[in-house]
Amino acid sequence: NAGVTQTPKFRILKIGQSMTLQCTQDMNHNYMYWYRQDPGMGLKLIYYSVGAGITDKGEVPNGYNVSRSTTEDFPLRLELAAPSQTSVYFCASSLDSYGYTFGSGTRLTVV
Amino acid sequence: ILNVEQSPQSLHVQEGDSTNFTCSFPSSNFYALHWYRWETAKSPEALFVMTLNGDEKKKGRISATLNTKEGYSYLYIKGSQPEDSATYLCACTGGGNKLTFGTGTQLKVEL
Repeated sequence: NAGVTQTPKFRILKIGQSMTLQCTQDMNHNYMYWYRQDPGMGLKLIYYSVGAGITDKGEVPNGYNVSRSTTEDFPLRLELAAPSQTSVYFCASSLDSYGYTFGSGTRLTVV
Repeated sequence: ILNVEQSPQSLHVQEGDSTNFTCSFPSSNFYALHWYRWETAKSPEALFVMTLNGDEKKKGRISATLNTKEGYSYLYIKGSQPEDSATYLCACTGGGNKLTFGTGTQLKVEL
């Protein structure tokens, strides 16, 4: 039972490049989330999904896109990377009102 | 977006000390409160999910209480051990399982 798997673990992007952060869960959770963690700022919600085919914006969605074509996968897309997107990104999933299960994080640096 | 505040920001205690920290949240529009434990270089791990006023939860030496009328929760650690060193995150939702996180309390337990 892998839980929530995020790839890659680390990535360096140049300004203007694009990339997709992958997130997969094998627990049949209906809810999935993307958060970013900046020093001293706590975890901020980027996007979330309540089920396949349904996504919605969180607190800091600008510069990101998501899709949820299956229950298992919730990729996060950065189209035009900017230095402000340097952060640690966490994917999480949950079953209704239970606690979240987090992935191990992706450390992204935009230079 | 809920405003979730945690105090203190950091705490140093000696092994064997008991300690507690606070999470404050708006008492209106409250649905659930979560506590997470986040060790360095790992991902957050769910400790408790509480919804009812007066709820008390316990896991080993760690316990939590909830007061939804006045908008606060306490996390207690009895007889702190070095392995308790971590950041403790509190998060709230007003419904829909979309959590707003506090910035955490960083606990360091010294020998």
